[in-house]
Amino acid sequence: GNSVTQMEGPVTLSEEAFLTINCTYTATGYPSLFWYVQYPGEGLQLLLKATKADDKGSNKGFEATYRKETTSFHLEKGSVQVSDSAVYFCALSDQNRGSTLGRLYFGRGTQLTVWP
Amino acid sequence: NAGVTQTPKFRILKIGQSMTLQCTQDMNHNYMYWYRQDPGMGLKLIYYSVGAGITDKGEVPNGYNVSRSTTEDFPLRLELAAPSQTSVYFCATRGGSLYEQYFGPGTRLTVT
Repeated sequence: GNSVTQMEGPVTLSEEAFLTINCTYTATGYPSLFWYVQYPGEGLQLLLKATKADDKGSNKGFEATYRKETTSFHLEKGSVQVSDSAVYFCALSDQNRGSTLGRLYFGRGTQLTVWP
Repeated sequence: NAGVTQTPKFRILKIGQSMTLQCTQDMNHNYMYWYRQDPGMGLKLIYYSVGAGITDKGEVPNGYNVSRSTTEDFPLRLELAAPSQTSVYFCATRGGSLYEQYFGPGTRLTVT
């Protein structure tokens, strides 16, 4: 079946520190992989995606590379800001044909707090 | 263009009461989803719909019902509220792309 395992939080960093949030997955077939972000009091927003092995998704200084050999999609940012404080979710998309196509499976989420 | 809207934002229910969580979208997306988010947990899929008149169960459908009479609306019904249904509920939509779901702001429900 499909599942996502995500690094447990919370993660607390100082501004300009390097960020890594680990994510590994189990899937049938070749899923697409995503990072979603949830700011306080809001719904989830797509942060970045990768649709095939070795693809790198990037957005707002965040990056993640789809590693098929290690079934991983770790999120990184070289220099975090206070405004990056949020909950980050790793997810994969069901690629099997049929009504479940496109269905998302989420990790538990990692709370990131960045202090000035 | 409002995207995905959900009402109410907050609600407190007593055990055994019923209510409907509303979800409306103006993006003309065929796919719609209901998730619940429990503290420290990822989102779990309750029900989904691939178009008007078509719905199906997700991972955690017990205690809930849905309908999809129009493309725009996808209400979630709780018939006999239980404390285990205390959660934050998110509605989401997807268009033709496999790659992005659009989420509403959520409804925070407490059952006491």
